[in-house]
Amino acid sequence: DGGITQSPKYLFRKEGQNVTLSCEQNLNHDAMYWYRQDPGQGLRLIYYSQIVNDFQKGDIAEGYSVSREKKESFPLTVTSAQKNPTAFYLCASSMDGANSYGYTFGSGTRLTVV
Amino acid sequence: GIQVEQSPPDLILQEGANSTLRCNFSDSVNNLQWFHQNPWGQLINLFYIPSGTKQNGRLSATTVATERYSLLYISSSQTTDSGVYFCAVVSGTYKYIFGTGTRLKVLA
Repeated sequence: DGGITQSPKYLFRKEGQNVTLSCEQNLNHDAMYWYRQDPGQGLRLIYYSQIVNDFQKGDIAEGYSVSREKKESFPLTVTSAQKNPTAFYLCASSMDGANSYGYTFGSGTRLTVV
Repeated sequence: GIQVEQSPPDLILQEGANSTLRCNFSDSVNNLQWFHQNPWGQLINLFYIPSGTKQNGRLSATTVATERYSLLYISSSQTTDSGVYFCAVVSGTYKYIFGTGTRLKVLA
């Protein structure tokens, strides 16, 4: 079945560590997105990529980095510069950069700083 | 930027009741999508509905783009309908802006 796979489901990070969240899709979608959700809140855009080897900052990109070397993969690195990384992270994809048919989401990664 | 407001913020229903969730947006939109976030955090696509009306079983949605709102109807609610319902819109660019959601709890 086609879909988006995020791993791991749960991740614990020590202060000062970088961690990388994985997002893989087999939908042949061009565009991919990373969102952050804090408890009781809506989703905020971190980074997005419309095409391989290209990505742009969203509304809350500080302390995060991404890469898009393959169409299927859009990993997110949470760096030590992100001061409050504890949150639920969701990856999404859409068929084209114009978002003509809406988003499909992965099941998310819960990141906790310990 | 575009503002997205959802109402009510919280809703408690008895099983079998009907409900209407509303999404207002401050500017014209290219796309609009309704999602259900289940208790495990998974966001499930309900409707892709930039305009018009769609129905899927007990759920239906209507978007009146000229008046800048969308409605999600849930009929004969079930406990499995509990969770958070999000409206997301695209205006100008292609990335979604999410509302803050309606938290629904259906009691048995």
